[in-house]
Amino acid sequence: DGGITQSPKYLFRKEGQNVTLSCEQNLNHDAMYWYRQDPGQGLRLIYYSQIVNDFQKGDIAEGYSVSREKKESFPLTVTSAQKNPTAFYLCASNILEGTQPQHFGDGTRLSIL
Amino acid sequence: AQSVTQLDSQVPVFEEAPVELRCNYSSSVSVYLFWYVQYPNQGLQLLLKYLSGSTLVESINGFEAEFNKSQTSFHLRKPSVHISDTAEYFCAVSVVGTGGFKTIFGAGTRLFVKA
Repeated sequence: DGGITQSPKYLFRKEGQNVTLSCEQNLNHDAMYWYRQDPGQGLRLIYYSQIVNDFQKGDIAEGYSVSREKKESFPLTVTSAQKNPTAFYLCASNILEGTQPQHFGDGTRLSIL
Repeated sequence: AQSVTQLDSQVPVFEEAPVELRCNYSSSVSVYLFWYVQYPNQGLQLLLKYLSGSTLVESINGFEAEFNKSQTSFHLRKPSVHISDTAEYFCAVSVVGTGGFKTIFGAGTRLFVKA
């Protein structure tokens, strides 16, 4: 079945460490997104990509980086510059057309050691 | 700027009672509207969507939502809830912007169904 796979499910970060969250999709979607979810704040857009080798900053991109070398993959790196990284991170994808909903992975929960 | 407001952060309700989760949006252009559901430690799943045509849309598990253009609302309703409906619900709008379509999510409403 087609879908979005995020890994790992849980991740722990030490002080000063960069960590990378994986997101893979086999839906042949052009667009991919990373969101951060904190309690009571809904989803906040970190980065998005509409085509391979191109991506755009969302509303809260500081302290994060992404790459889009393949259509299927959109990894997110949480850098040491992100001082409050503890959150639930969601990856999504969709066809680039306004009527199409986004499909979501099951998320990665990142915590600080 | 476009925005989505979910008027209730939490809605407690007894099993088999009706429920309404409210969503208002602000946009000066045409929008597409969505409701998503999120169960604990999972991603969001599409519940239903309004694109055009009939203003009342239904999901397969008994939820319905009505698009009201004059009130810029897209409230979600269910006539009789089950314990299994306990989840967080997100309203979202898709609008066209300078870089193409953009999806804006509301802050979510946590539905808690009590026995």
